[in-house]
Amino acid sequence: EAGVTQFPSHSVIEKGQTVTLRCDPISGHDNLYWYRRVMGKEIKFLLHFVKESKQDESGMPNNRFLAERTGGTYSTLKVQPAELEDSGVYFCASSLGTSVADTQYFGPGTRLTVL
Amino acid sequence: GQQVMQIPQYQHVQEGEDFTTYCNSSTTLSNIQWYKQRPGGHPVFLIQLVKSGEVKKQKRLTFQFGEAKKNSSLHITATQTTDVGTYFCAGRTSGTYKYIFGTGTRLKVLA
Repeated sequence: EAGVTQFPSHSVIEKGQTVTLRCDPISGHDNLYWYRRVMGKEIKFLLHFVKESKQDESGMPNNRFLAERTGGTYSTLKVQPAELEDSGVYFCASSLGTSVADTQYFGPGTRLTVL
Repeated sequence: GQQVMQIPQYQHVQEGEDFTTYCNSSTTLSNIQWYKQRPGGHPVFLIQLVKSGEVKKQKRLTFQFGEAKKNSSLHITATQTTDVGTYFCAGRTSGTYKYIFGTGTRLKVLA
């Protein structure tokens, strides 16, 4: 069974540009999460989708970040315009359900560098 | 807001020594998970603890959940070079689906 995949693995852009990150969850997983780890800090929750609906987007830093999950399959996270402090590793995770028994499976992450 | 503190931030041990990392939450947790991230890799799920006072073992790893469900620990006995990586705890409170991660403990094992 394929795991969570993310694309691209690395992205280097200049301040002010736009970047779109993609996450493909494990097939059949309704729940999709975005997290971010800024250098040296903890992994922080950004938002949670249940199918195509945003369940919780309390962790989104500001309105430069837009997440979508059209059709309830893959998800994109767009940063527009990117700022220096957006640099970090963006992880996507998916789970079958949301009960305590449901494990979140993480993707390999996208390392974003904003110059 | 809810915070999960994790100590120590770094730990260097000689191969064969033991290692422990601790997590403390500002609020009571419904469950806590532990992850390991190898250098250059992504977080990989290790285990989940749900019950107050729960202790689980995986070979040389022992995981504990505090009686008050506000703290947890991961203990590795007789570390090996393959144990190198960053260990994260992640806690969830009742009524929410998101996990709050600790800052991680980076473990280096010297051969």
